[in-house]
Amino acid sequence: EVKLLESGGGLVQPGGSLRLSCAASGFTFTDFYMSWIRQPPGKAPEWLGVIRNKANGYTTEYNPSVKGRFTISRDNTQNILYLQMNTLRAEDTAIYYCARGWEPVDYWGQGVMVTVSS
Amino acid sequence: DVVMTQTPVSLSVSLGGQVSISCRSSQSLVHNNGNTYLSWYLQKPGQSPQLLIYKVSNRFSGISDRFSGSGSGTDFTLKISRVEPDDLGVYYCGQGTQYPNTFGAGTKLELK
Repeated sequence: EVKLLESGGGLVQPGGSLRLSCAASGFTFTDFYMSWIRQPPGKAPEWLGVIRNKANGYTTEYNPSVKGRFTISRDNTQNILYLQMNTLRAEDTAIYYCARGWEPVDYWGQGVMVTVSS
Repeated sequence: DVVMTQTPVSLSVSLGGQVSISCRSSQSLVHNNGNTYLSWYLQKPGQSPQLLIYKVSNRFSGISDRFSGSGSGTDFTLKISRVEPDDLGVYYCGQGTQYPNTFGAGTKLELK
């Protein structure tokens, strides 16, 4: 069974940083692209970026809306996906989902809430 | 960015009825490799989105044949037949043909 479990969310002040983690299980982690997607309360999802699989060199793509502030990485020995978020703004407040795949995204984690507020 | 426009914003349906949701993209979703990367997701209340349909018309594993996707180019449709209580929620279309991937604003399916 595919499982994706995010952690690391919480309340952070504007300008601050946060690192989210996603523990993956139930599939061969290195075979899959992995994405981060966020969803502000009551709004549509927003794709943040993707890190490719082993066969594609673990390269990354980012949404221009977060490029330069957010970094996606993965630990393929422990099957963990990361999202490093810097210079956070109020508009980054959202539920953040870890997800398997890129297009389509076939499994989503349960999400973790990130609130940016003073 | 490719803008995905969904209509209607909300839809009321009777159990057992049929509904259609439209999704239009601001650019063709046909990729250089010939594939069309258009997916449909359902977000039930309080849950994460779940994949229903990928590449326009392919049902994901375990998805009922009551769900069907169609379309090409910039116009796409999701049809749900014999609506059941578990089908209620917000439906999103999404594209992955061009970075960044983008989603529609959603269509809320409610009971009449």
